[in-house]
Amino acid sequence: EADIYQTPRYLVIGTGKKITLECSQTMGHDKMYWYQQDPGMELHLIHYSYGVNSTEKGDLSSESTVSRIRTEHFPLTLESARPSHTSQYLCASRVPLPGNTIYFGEGSWLTVV
Amino acid sequence: AQTVTQSQPEMSVQEAETVTLSCTYDTSESDYYLFWYKQPPSRQMILVIRQEAYKQQNATENRFSVNFQKAAKSFSLKISDSQLGDAAMYFCAYRSGSMSNFGNEKLTFGTGTRLTIIP
Repeated sequence: EADIYQTPRYLVIGTGKKITLECSQTMGHDKMYWYQQDPGMELHLIHYSYGVNSTEKGDLSSESTVSRIRTEHFPLTLESARPSHTSQYLCASRVPLPGNTIYFGEGSWLTVV
Repeated sequence: AQTVTQSQPEMSVQEAETVTLSCTYDTSESDYYLFWYKQPPSRQMILVIRQEAYKQQNATENRFSVNFQKAAKSFSLKISDSQLGDAAMYFCAYRSGSMSNFGNEKLTFGTGTRLTIIP
């Protein structure tokens, strides 16, 4: 298993609150990703980063934002949480070589009430 | 756009027996990578096995092996000697080998197969 960490693992928060999901990896990977997964469904890419100060949106539209100020850190922020944001958010990373494996964190399960 | 289809939402197998999970995909690319990921109840997605499309030999990792049929666009996972710890959701995934920026970044997942191991 890879050294990629997400906090919090579980969060219940009220509508309108601002939340940040943390993701850190100690492998020195340049490429990092955020996937969103609804229960029992497939994963969808919502954000990715090639390296420091590089962020791009994925193919699933998301109201969240990300930043990449340090190689090892790729936090995801929701400025104003809504019940529709209830989902699991999975952070991942890999080395920038063709075909290299993407490693996932344990996920952050967000419930907005 | 690439698509990945897993037609078996749920499968079950007797402990110590063999089970095969199906996956088909659709792509017009010739260079790509295929993966099987396992997501147990703890929910960390773990890589089980990977296959490069340019390799004819099927990948094998201990009790896990694949049957990669490139012409048929099929990528099934065989689990031999099933163990209780194999119980999980299994996702088939595709990633382009294209060097274009976005194509190489995105993993396209199937909807998953929930595998139950019967003691």
